[in-house]
Amino acid sequence: EVQLLESGGGLVQPGGSLRLSCAASGFTFSNFAMSWVRQAPGKGLEWVSVISLSGGSIYYADSVKGRFSISRDNSKNTLHLQMNSLRAEDTAVYYCAKDRFGVAAAEVDSWGQGTLVTVSS
Amino acid sequence: QSVLTQPPSASGTPGQRVTISCSGSSSSIGTNYVNWYQQLPGTAPKLLIYRNNQRPSGVPDRFSGSKSGTSAFLAISGLRSEDEADYYCAAWDDSLSGPVFGGGTNLTVL
Repeated sequence: EVQLLESGGGLVQPGGSLRLSCAASGFTFSNFAMSWVRQAPGKGLEWVSVISLSGGSIYYADSVKGRFSISRDNSKNTLHLQMNSLRAEDTAVYYCAKDRFGVAAAEVDSWGQGTLVTVSS
Repeated sequence: QSVLTQPPSASGTPGQRVTISCSGSSSSIGTNYVNWYQQLPGTAPKLLIYRNNQRPSGVPDRFSGSKSGTSAFLAISGLRSEDEADYYCAAWDDSLSGPVFGGGTNLTVL
């Protein structure tokens, strides 16, 4: 059974940093692209970032480009999202998600339970 | 404003058939697969339809997807109360070189 367990969320002040992690199990992590998707309170889904199976191809939404950095450690089955220069509008539940394939294709078939990031003074 | 456009709400009565639309462009839906996600209240999203019209195992055949030109459609037949949820379409956008979601449609079963 695929399991994705996010951690690292919490309360941070504007301009601060957080690092989210996602521990994956139940599948061969190195064979699949991985994504971070967020959902602001009462709002819709937003694709934040995607990384291919090798890490050679990465996408960022314009709203986070230059501030967020996605990475993966295939030896530890772990996905990360480094978030810098955080803004109030980054407040959201952040989901770790597994793609159906090794290249990103907007085709996510498994999701974590989400971790809440709150940016506020 | 989302790259993919969905109606914000839809509704139907039990047993009815409901269709939710998703409008995109030539660089998104026009040239790439469309996927649909269901998000029940307070839970993570779930893949409902992939590659325009394919159902993952475990998804009832009451749910079906289709695509025509730059629009896609999710149909739910034999509507049930447990279908009350938010539904999102998603597709790769070649002009953005990334994946995008629609704004979501909140389905109410009356």
